[in-house]
Amino acid sequence: SAVISQKPSRDICQRGTSLTIQCQVDSQVTMMFWYRQQPGQSLTLIATANQGSEATYESGFVIDKFPISRPNLTFSTLTVSNMSPEDSSIYLCSVVRAGVNEQFFGPGTRLTVL
Amino acid sequence: RKEVEQDPGPFNVPEGATVAFNCTYSNSASQSFFWYRQDCRKEPKLLMSVYSSGNEDGRFTAQLNRASQYISLLIRDSKLSDSATYLCVVNSLTSNYQLIWGAGTKLIIKP
Repeated sequence: SAVISQKPSRDICQRGTSLTIQCQVDSQVTMMFWYRQQPGQSLTLIATANQGSEATYESGFVIDKFPISRPNLTFSTLTVSNMSPEDSSIYLCSVVRAGVNEQFFGPGTRLTVL
Repeated sequence: RKEVEQDPGPFNVPEGATVAFNCTYSNSASQSFFWYRQDCRKEPKLLMSVYSSGNEDGRFTAQLNRASQYISLLIRDSKLSDSATYLCVVNSLTSNYQLIWGAGTKLIIKP
């Protein structure tokens, strides 16, 4: 398995501000993803974080709102920009290792926007 | 139609009972299928992969019906600790590493 940490674990933010969430993995991984899970809902993929290049965003998510970095194989950040109450959600980082048919998840970041 | 559909529940089941969940998926070309478990306020964790021949892990049995495009999960002799949300997951056709998630079925085991 992979050990994944996320920072912060939770935050309460004001409308219009931005928050950067960090995801750190204990070993090199092939793929890193960012998900959002709104209350009572399932997981929605925001983007695939690509090492050394721009992230690949899913429909409905754009780089200006959710800029993502992945400078190396073990670390990624997701920024939620110009936040509104609709961005209140749990944000989860997940990883996949080559040859392992399983996604491992970080503990999540619980974001509340006032 | 959603790509992966599940009955949201909740399923309220007495301890020791057998419970079954079904999940349907829309794309017949899907290749990989999984059941994940998510405890309240926790991240999802893989429960089991679902193979074409069906597979069993202790009290848990998963089956795949490609013709009808559904996946099932059977839990026998349910325990209080089985209370969780069970997520049906199917691989995306754009990338085998990307997953499409059902909304989850909430299971509550009562003593």
